[in-house]
Amino acid sequence: GQNIDQPTEMTATEGAIVQINCTYQTSGFNGLFWYQQHAGEAPTFLSYNVLDGLEEKGRFSSFLSRSKGYSYLLLKELQMKDSASYLCAAMDSNYQLIWGAGTKLIIKP
Amino acid sequence: IAGITQAPTSQILAAGRRMTLRCTQDMRHNAMYWYRQDLGLGLRLIHYSNTAGTTGKGEVPDGYSVSRANTDDFPLTLASAVPSQTSVYFCASSDSPGLAADTQYFGPGTRLTVL
Repeated sequence: GQNIDQPTEMTATEGAIVQINCTYQTSGFNGLFWYQQHAGEAPTFLSYNVLDGLEEKGRFSSFLSRSKGYSYLLLKELQMKDSASYLCAAMDSNYQLIWGAGTKLIIKP
Repeated sequence: IAGITQAPTSQILAAGRRMTLRCTQDMRHNAMYWYRQDLGLGLRLIHYSNTAGTTGKGEVPDGYSVSRANTDDFPLTLASAVPSQTSVYFCASSDSPGLAADTQYFGPGTRLTVL
């Protein structure tokens, strides 16, 4: 079956760095997406990886290892506004997104 | 402002009633999607449409129907609501279904409670 695993909740300190991991098992693979979702709001697109390696976008970076079925989202210089849920989604061979349950990130001052 | 709108924002509905959730996008995207989001679960695809005039079933289609008469609108209908359909419903759209890196953009959601 198809499955996405990511931690339910993480806590980090303002100004620090946090890494949110995601492992996936899908029928075929056409890339890995990360979305941010603030409480009560819609998910918003953060990043897309299809090749192995690190993609950097300002304070946020995303990494992919296709051979390990593994990705992570790295958030640097954490700010209080980064408190949100982070959703990992893998695109399968039918170009459908398979979603993880999300990781709730709590930032403490 | 370009994007996706959904209506209503929230609704409390008696079980057995019929309800249509509305979704409109003005980005001229080819594909549209309906998801439900429940606590502790990932987004689950209900129905999708890759282009106007066509629809497909997602992971959890039972109890729901959709239509895609034109590019912009993609209503979701609950023919006879049941309490298990209490959820937050998100509509999304994307430009190039069937291509990798096709990014989905989400509407603000409809919070539905069925009593």
